[in-house]
Amino acid sequence: DIVMTQSPDSVAVSLGERATINCKSSQSVLHSSNNKNYLAWFQQKPGQPPKQLIFWASTRESGVPDRFSGSGSGTDFTLTISSLQADDVAVYYCQQYYTLWTFGQGTKVEIK
Amino acid sequence: EVQLVESGGGLVQPGGSLRLSCAASGFTFSNYAMTWVRQAPGKGLEWVSTISGGGDATHYADSVKGRFTISRDNSKNTLCLQMNSLRAEDRAVYYCAKQVTVDGYYMDVWGKGTTVTVSS
Repeated sequence: DIVMTQSPDSVAVSLGERATINCKSSQSVLHSSNNKNYLAWFQQKPGQPPKQLIFWASTRESGVPDRFSGSGSGTDFTLTISSLQADDVAVYYCQQYYTLWTFGQGTKVEIK
Repeated sequence: EVQLVESGGGLVQPGGSLRLSCAASGFTFSNYAMTWVRQAPGKGLEWVSTISGGGDATHYADSVKGRFTISRDNSKNTLCLQMNSLRAEDRAVYYCAKQVTVDGYYMDVWGKGTTVTVSS
């Protein structure tokens, strides 16, 4: 099974500042046949279902603000919120879909 | 508009059974794999099970294998999860999610969830 490990577990950032969340997979999720990383990011606000932000590690879902960006390849990935807004307070999850599906444990983003 | 609406949650005793349903609308249901994901109270997301668009391929997490059965009725645009031999640790909000191809990949639309409580 592929294990996904996020860091940190929680982060507090001032409004307008950058928030960075890391995600590490126990094995590579880069598929050699298409050179794509099978990695997605989700946002979950309290009492709501998850919402997809990014797929293929760096492609933003339609309608997602461009302050959200994904990067990385192989086993190490990053979700960056370039300028944190109050509406971005949530828990963020990475997920691999290379072999079945596995989520990271989540990272809580709060306002400092 | 793509919509997924779960139902069937409730209170059940340990060892009991429950059948969850997910009604889909706004897309050609048979063209997409569908998934169940759960979230225990105060915990993270856990993938439970996935079924291909045609229903010919199913996958289960080790934690539910042999106890849960995923199925779909493409004529009724409905996804189901039959849960048997329920345990306290199965208590969670269960979400159904649509995937982006007939075989899977990532999940792009989620329902609001239905709550399962396992307690005596």
